[in-house]
Parts: sequence; C-alpha cells; structure tokens
Amino acid sequence: DTAVSQTPKYLVTQMGNDKSIKCEQNLGHDTMYWYKQDSKKFLKIMFSYNNKELIINETVPNRFSPKSPDKAHLNLHINSLELGDSAVYFCASSQDYSGWVEAFFGQGTRLTVV
Amino acid sequence: QKEVEQNSGPLSVPEGAIASLNCTYSDRGSQSFFWYRQYSGKSPELIMFIYSNGDKEDGRFTAQLNKASQYVSLLIRDSQPSDSATYLCAVNSYGNKLVFGAGTILRVKS
Repeated sequence: DTAVSQTPKYLVTQMGNDKSIKCEQNLGHDTMYWYKQDSKKFLKIMFSYNNKELIINETVPNRFSPKSPDKAHLNLHINSLELGDSAVYFCASSQDYSGWVEAFFGQGTRLTVV
Repeated sequence: QKEVEQNSGPLSVPEGAIASLNCTYSDRGSQSFFWYRQYSGKSPELIMFIYSNGDKEDGRFTAQLNKASQYVSLLIRDSQPSDSATYLCAVNSYGNKLVFGAGTILRVKS
C-alpha cells in the first residue's frame, strides 16, 4: 500500500496550458511538501503545509498554487505553463514540521512542457 | 554561498572499498541532518539521520557530524554495485525547512 502517491506520473503538455498534480498520503502525517527537482537533480522546496495551513512558501512564481483540502492531500496547480517548468515534482510528507523527522517522498511527476 | 554544498562527483570506487561522501552547510543553527539515496528515475529514500556530533553507525553506513566545522559525511563500507546512486545531503535549516544539497553521484565498479 503506497504511503505517498502522486498522479499523474508523467505529464506532457504545451506551453500556456494549466495543469494539476495530485498527492495523497496515508501515513497519518501532519505535514506535506512540494519539491521541484530540475535537470541537474537539485531538489528544492516549493511549499509546505501543516494540517492544511501553509507554513513555507518559497520564491515560486504565483502561477503555482498549492491547495490542501485536508491534511492527507496536497495538490499543485500550475497556470500558464512555461518551458522552464519542465522538471520532476515530488510530493512528500512528514510526521510534523519540527525538522527532526524524515520526509517520505512520492514517486514523482515528470512534467514536460513543449 | 549555497545553503548545503556537496561535490557533484561522480565518485567512483571499486567494489568492496569505502565510499566517503561529504557535505557542508551554512546555517549554524541547523540541528538535524539527513542522508537520502536516490536511484535514477526514483524518489529519494532516507538512509540515515544524525543529530549529535560524532559518528552514528547503521550496518555498512556511518554518518559523521561536526557542527563546529558545519560538516556532515556519509561513509559506506564494503561498497556494492547496488550502492550506485545519487546521495543527497539534507539539512534542517532556517525555520524548519529541509534543504537539500545537489547530490553526489556514486559509482561502484565491480
């Protein structure tokens, strides 16, 4: 039974489109994250939610909008997609946001903007 | 200065040797440190975490932390070809934010 699951796994879309990525965790964790991993494999945090509340919002274009309907779900909506948005997006969760606990990652969504 | 720095590699070691992976970080207030392994096309998975200065051993893996030098390392003993992956150092930094280094590619040659 998958702990952190993302859909879709692959997403190919044209510039200017709007797309969403969904994430769900069944670990009972309070905190969820979105990370972006670029072509150089650098994994950078985008957003963090704790119990549906936004706690970290990095310098991300406002075309990216996260939504957490409940603490088990964190979705990412991207408007007006650009070529530079092509990357692998990882959802993750942790027990809390104390920083003392590990993060569990989903399998990633490879987004390709053409 | 990047918050977490790693040598990108690749680091090549023969099978059975010790692989040494290093990481430095900029936030002196960091309290928790993690090593993740990421196989190509897969998601990161935790190998070890360390909170206190000194060494922490788990099987073939040893994490070493020196907060005064802002340095954390991972030693892999008896390296196996299956250890070939990218190793990501992660540091809890600046308000409970887990910051990752760019990763070191390890190649273990049989």
